[in-house]
Amino acid sequence: SQKIEQNSEALNIQEGKTATLTCNYTNYSPAYLQWYRQDPGRGPVFLLLIRENEKEKRKERLKVTFDTTLKQSLFHITASQPADSATYLCALGNDGGGGNKLTFGTGTQLKVEL
Amino acid sequence: EAQVTQNPRYLITVTGKKLTVTCSQNMNHEYMSWYRQDPGLGLRQIYYSMNVEVTDKGDVPEGYKVSRKEKRNFPLILESPSPNQTSLYFCASSLSGVRVRETQYFGPGTRLLVL
Repeated sequence: SQKIEQNSEALNIQEGKTATLTCNYTNYSPAYLQWYRQDPGRGPVFLLLIRENEKEKRKERLKVTFDTTLKQSLFHITASQPADSATYLCALGNDGGGGNKLTFGTGTQLKVEL
Repeated sequence: EAQVTQNPRYLITVTGKKLTVTCSQNMNHEYMSWYRQDPGLGLRQIYYSMNVEVTDKGDVPEGYKVSRKEKRNFPLILESPSPNQTSLYFCASSLSGVRVRETQYFGPGTRLLVL
C-alpha cells in the first residue's frame, strides 16, 4: 500500500540555521508533490508545489527538491526564524484516473529557537 | 476576502444524533474536499467533489455523506455519529475540477467530539 513518511520527531534548530525536512514515499509514483505549513488548531496553508519532472523549486527562503529515484523530497528553510515554527506537511498527488486527490504525510514539527 | 468557511467550529454531540458541518468557498472553485485529521494518522480524505453533482469517495468515507448542489457549498453529513468520528475536520477547495495539482485552500477546521 502507499506510504508517506515524515519524521515524527520534532526538529529543533537554532535561529539563523537551515532547517531540512524529509518526505519519503513508497509504492507511489506521484505526478507532483506539495508542501504545506500548519499552525496549531488551524488549517494547512500551501507553500510550494514541485512536479515530477522538476528537480528543485525555490520561493524566498524556501527550497524543495524532488528525487523520484530515491522517492524522496527535501524541504529547506534557510535563515530560519522563530516564526517558522510550525508543523510541515508533504502531500503527493496524481492526475486523473481516479487520482484526483492528495495523500498527506503525518507532518514534522519544526521548532526554531532563539 | 477569498476564503473557505466552516461551521460550526466546535461541536459536542452524542452518539446517533445526526449532524451537518457546513463548508462554503467564495473563490468559484470547482473542486472541494473533506479531510479528517487525527494524531499520528495525518490528514485523510473523506470525500471529494470535482464539480456540482459530482462526488466521490476518498480514503475514509464510511459513516459520512456529502452533497454538492451548489458550487460554493459542500456540507458533510454524519447520519449517526459514533465516538470514532471524534476528530478535527477540514474542508478544502481548489480551482480545478480535473487536476488537483493546484493549491488547495483549507478552512479553519471543525473540532468534533462525539460522546
